[in-house]
Amino acid sequence: KAGVTQTPRYLIKTRGQQVTLSCSPISGHRSVSWYQQTPGQGLQFLFEYFSETQRNKGNFPGRFSGRQFSNSRSEMNVSTLELGDSALYLCASSLAGGGDEQYFGPGTRLTVT
Amino acid sequence: GIQVEQSPPDLILQEGANSTLRCNFSDSVNNLQWFHQNPWGQLINLFYIPSGTKQNGRLSATTVATERYSLLYISSSQTTDSGVYFCAVVGGSYIPTFGRGTSLIVHP
Repeated sequence: KAGVTQTPRYLIKTRGQQVTLSCSPISGHRSVSWYQQTPGQGLQFLFEYFSETQRNKGNFPGRFSGRQFSNSRSEMNVSTLELGDSALYLCASSLAGGGDEQYFGPGTRLTVT
Repeated sequence: GIQVEQSPPDLILQEGANSTLRCNFSDSVNNLQWFHQNPWGQLINLFYIPSGTKQNGRLSATTVATERYSLLYISSSQTTDSGVYFCAVVGGSYIPTFGRGTSLIVHP
């Protein structure tokens, strides 16, 4: 069974631009969660989607948004990029969320210049 | 929200040594996982262990939910064990919280 895939793997953007990252969960998994990892803040939860609905949200500004499609694939969008958004963005999938075991993708490394 | 503390923050070992990593959490949890992050950033699942004890080869983990801690044991460490070890918990709010990790270096 294929694991969680994320695209692109690396991305360089300029301040003020927007970016869209994509995540395909493990087949059969319906929950997708997104995390941001930085050296200063560690791994922080952004949001979780289940059945195309956002079910939980972390403490991030509204510039960070996401969505989930009917095939459980998910995208996250960051608008008006800031230098501080440079980070490794990780996606995780689980069967149904809510404490189920999570499996992580390889991540997208975003650099904002 | 739940507070998660991992110790020690850094650990340096010689190959063949044993080690114990600790994860303390501030409230009851529905889920606790241990991960190993490799140098390329990939988080690899080690254990899903909200309570009890599990073993997988040279690694084992124990979670004592009533006392709010979990331990990860690494025996006969190898250089490939190097990396950062994270514990992550999911509490009643169902928002996952990660500890800051233990950075392990194993020298040959």
